[in-house]
Amino acid sequence: QSVLTQPPSVSGAPGQTVTISCTGSSSNIGAGYDVHWYQQLPGTAPKLLVFSNTNRPSGVPDRFSGSKSGSSASLAITGLQTEDEADYYCQSYSFDSSPYVVFGGGTKLTVL
Amino acid sequence: EVQLVESGGGLVQPGRSLRLSCAASGFSFHDYVMHWVRQIPGKGLEWVSGITHNSGSIGYADSVKGRFTISRDNAKNFLYLQMNSLRVEDTALYYCAKDHSGAYFYHLDVWGKGTTVTVSS
Repeated sequence: QSVLTQPPSVSGAPGQTVTISCTGSSSNIGAGYDVHWYQQLPGTAPKLLVFSNTNRPSGVPDRFSGSKSGSSASLAITGLQTEDEADYYCQSYSFDSSPYVVFGGGTKLTVL
Repeated sequence: EVQLVESGGGLVQPGRSLRLSCAASGFSFHDYVMHWVRQIPGKGLEWVSGITHNSGSIGYADSVKGRFTISRDNAKNFLYLQMNSLRVEDTALYYCAKDHSGAYFYHLDVWGKGTTVTVSS
């Protein structure tokens, strides 16, 4: 069971918009720590998609956008394309006696 | 080109040990936090361990605490994961990943292709 909660799957038709949620707690996202998002295409390593809640690395299309509010965050994908079909993971940070990284369980995006 | 190449995976019996290595190139390795993340085939990502640039701060997932040890050699640009008392549930693809930050666990901006660890009798 992952520390951050994501829906197992979402789907949408080409051109549509989908949103993936990521819910944490007062120990991680709610404590003010940033949320980052990764895209994992089938058979490949994860790739950073959005960092620090809303920022995109160079080369990532502006169809991908992130937001954060309270203990939750969201990734929106507009103008869905077939190549967006992948697994998406949110990630944040927490600390008790030592630092640690937390991931969401992942969301499988299907482009219908 | 920034590159991370993992090695050292393989088939090992439960209770035995294995040491993973990650060779880093194309960036100033000694300036960045590094992580190990694993993924059981068909399942999600699980953070395993992270180490700051100077090894001053180290963290482990509860699932590996006391069994795994992360370390780095900044002179050789290598990251390591010593895995002891391996369990069947440690079977996974292990990724080495670079953090954006040097002093804090932040976001992972470069990933290797991974090395597979299979724990089975």
